[in-house]
Amino acid sequence: DAKTTQPTSMDCAEGRAANLPCNHSTISGNEYVYWYRQIHSQGPQYIIHGLKNNETNEMASLIITEDRKSSTLILPHATLRDTAVYYCIVGFGGTSYGKLTFGQGTILTVHP
Amino acid sequence: GAVVSQHPSRVICKSGTSVKIECRSLDFQATTMFWYRQFPKQSLMLMATSNEGSKATYEQGVEKDKFLINHASLTLSTLTVTSAHPEDSSFYICSAKSDRGYEQYFGPGTRLTVT
Repeated sequence: DAKTTQPTSMDCAEGRAANLPCNHSTISGNEYVYWYRQIHSQGPQYIIHGLKNNETNEMASLIITEDRKSSTLILPHATLRDTAVYYCIVGFGGTSYGKLTFGQGTILTVHP
Repeated sequence: GAVVSQHPSRVICKSGTSVKIECRSLDFQATTMFWYRQFPKQSLMLMATSNEGSKATYEQGVEKDKFLINHASLTLSTLTVTSAHPEDSSFYICSAKSDRGYEQYFGPGTRLTVT
C-alpha cells in the first residue's frame, strides 16, 4: 500500500473551515484515498473516500489533485467536537480488499 | 452509518489468564473483520484480518497462537488473548466491512489491562 504524509498537527478556529492536507505521491491507479478520524479513546470514524473525483458528504469534502498525488480533506465549519486525530490512508477498495494501514495522522485542534 | 459494538469496553485481568473480546456488526453482515491494537500515543496497528468461515490472516510479528481469532458468523468475531502478560495491555479495536461497501466501520474499542 502507498504511504501518506500528513502534518503532525493543525489548529483551526471554531466555525472556520479546516483544510487538512495529505501527500500520497506513490499512489497506484486503483488505490483509493480514505479519511478516518479518531476522537480520544474511541474507535476511528469513517469520514469519506475517493478515487479520482472530488467527493462531498454530510461530514466533509475531499479534493483530490488531478495527478492524484495529494488530497485535502475539508471540514467546512469546524466545531469543537471535530477535535481529533485525522488519518489519511490509501488502499484498495472493493470486495476483495480493505486492509488499512494507519500512519500517525494529523492532530486537529479546534479552538473557540 | 453502520454500527459495530465491542464487549467488554474495559477489562482487567491477571497475568497468565485469557481474555475474550467480542466484536459484533449490529445492522449489516460483515464478511471481513479486522483487529487492531493501539498503544498509548501511537497509531493503530493491524493485527489480523478475518473472513467469515475462514482462518484469520495475521500480520507479520503477531503470534497467532497467542491472539486467537474466530469469525464464526457474519455478525460476530472474537479475539482471545491467551496467557496475557502486562505487555499485552493495550486498546484493542475491531472493524467490520461488508462486501458491498468500501469503508470499514470501527467498534468503540476495548481497553485491556493485565496486572
